[in-house]
Amino acid sequence: SAVISQKPSRDICQRGTSLTIQCQVDSQVTMMFWYRQQPGQSLTLIATANQGSEATYESGFVIDKFPISRPNLTFSTLTVSNLSPEDSSIYLCSVVGDAKKLFFGSGTQLSVL
Amino acid sequence: ELKVEQNPLFLSMQEGKNYTIYCNYSTTSDRLYWYRQDPGKSLESLFVLLSNGAVKQEGRLMASLDTKARLSTLHITAAVHDLSATYFCAVEADSNYQLIWGAGTKLIIKP
Repeated sequence: SAVISQKPSRDICQRGTSLTIQCQVDSQVTMMFWYRQQPGQSLTLIATANQGSEATYESGFVIDKFPISRPNLTFSTLTVSNLSPEDSSIYLCSVVGDAKKLFFGSGTQLSVL
Repeated sequence: ELKVEQNPLFLSMQEGKNYTIYCNYSTTSDRLYWYRQDPGKSLESLFVLLSNGAVKQEGRLMASLDTKARLSTLHITAAVHDLSATYFCAVEADSNYQLIWGAGTKLIIKP
C-alpha cells in the first residue's frame, strides 16, 4: 500500500487568496489524482497529474483556477486560486497502489470566508 | 457519459440485520471500487472488482460485480455498529484510473 501525507489538514482562507495543498507519497508513483469533495457530496475528479507532463483537467476545472505541480514521482501540489466561498470543500490526493487500488491522502478541509 | 447511481442514499438499520447497497452504472467498465468513509476522514479502500462475476469478501462485507447488468452490490451480513459509515462505489471511466463516483450511501447501524 501507499502512504500519503497530505497537508494542510485544514485551513480557513479569505476570499481572493490562494491555498496550496501538498501531497507526499512514500513510494514512486506515476499517476496522482486530485479530487474535490463538496460538503455532504461525493467525489469529483479535478485532474490527473503525471510527472514530467502537464496535468490533465476534467471538464469544469481549469489550470488557471487549479494549477498543479508534479516535480517528481513522490510529490505534487494543488493550488486553489482566487478563492470564493464556493471553493469550500475537502480536497484529496490519490495514487494507484498495489492490486490496482487507489489510496487517498487524509484530505484538506478548506473553508473560505 | 458514464453515470453511477447508488441506492439507497441513506440506510438506518439494527445490529444483526442483513442489507445490500446497490451500485448501477451506465456504460461498460473494466473496474469497480468500493470505499468506506468515516465522518471527517479520508477514504478507505474496501474492494476492487475486476471482472464479471467477481466476488470478494472481507469480514461482514461482501461485494459482487455483474458487468452484463452493470450492477455491483455490497452486502452487509449481521451488521455491527462499527460498520456505520458512508460507502461509495466508483467506476473507472477509462483505462487510466479516472473514476466516476456514486453519491454515497450513509449507513447508520443502531446498537
